[in-house]
Amino acid sequence: EVQLVESGGGLVQPGGSLRLSCAASGFTFSSYWMSWVRQAPGKGLEWVANIKQDGSEKYYVDSVKGRFTISRDNAKNSLYLQMNSLRAEDTAVYYCARAVVTPDEDWYFDLWGRGTLVTVSS
Amino acid sequence: AIRITQSPSSLSASTGDRVTITCRASQGISSYLAWYQQKPGKAPKLLIYAASTLQSGVPSRFSGSGSGTDFTLTISCLQSEDFATYYCQQYYSYPQTFGQGTKVEIK
Repeated sequence: EVQLVESGGGLVQPGGSLRLSCAASGFTFSSYWMSWVRQAPGKGLEWVANIKQDGSEKYYVDSVKGRFTISRDNAKNSLYLQMNSLRAEDTAVYYCARAVVTPDEDWYFDLWGRGTLVTVSS
Repeated sequence: AIRITQSPSSLSASTGDRVTITCRASQGISSYLAWYQQKPGKAPKLLIYAASTLQSGVPSRFSGSGSGTDFTLTISCLQSEDFATYYCQQYYSYPQTFGQGTKVEIK
């Protein structure tokens, strides 16, 4: 079955760290850009980070630059998000998403995980 | 960063209605826009990319149009399963940004 399964969420104190994982199955993981998208409780979607197939390119939203690191292990079909110096405003459901990039440079998320909740609170 | 203004933020409609949702970008983004549907407690689902290309498996009552700064998602004949929140997303430049969402509720 083609799927993405996130894990690693939980309750963490402000200033703390957390590492999210996303396990991919049913498709050739190494052929796709991968992304993290988050959604604060009751709020809209916010793109967080992208990583190229071989990990050579990474992009982040400004609010997490220098604090979050996206990475991947193609041998393990896994995507990661290392989150440091966490703030209350990082509280959200974090979704792992598969990105399709076409020759015309269209980009869309065609496969999403169910998400993992990160709560930053003392 | 490119701002996406989505309107309305919510709307009430009845089954069978024609529904239109609009996204306006703060600068031209060609046709680099996607639309997603999200139901409560679920992950988003891709509906349309490249402003007007219907994702495989998505019903033809969904359609998208526009280019440059103004875009529209239309549901031609609203079905019960279409009550959800809809988001547009631009991927013309980083950071990729989403609209604020439009909640389609039952009238």
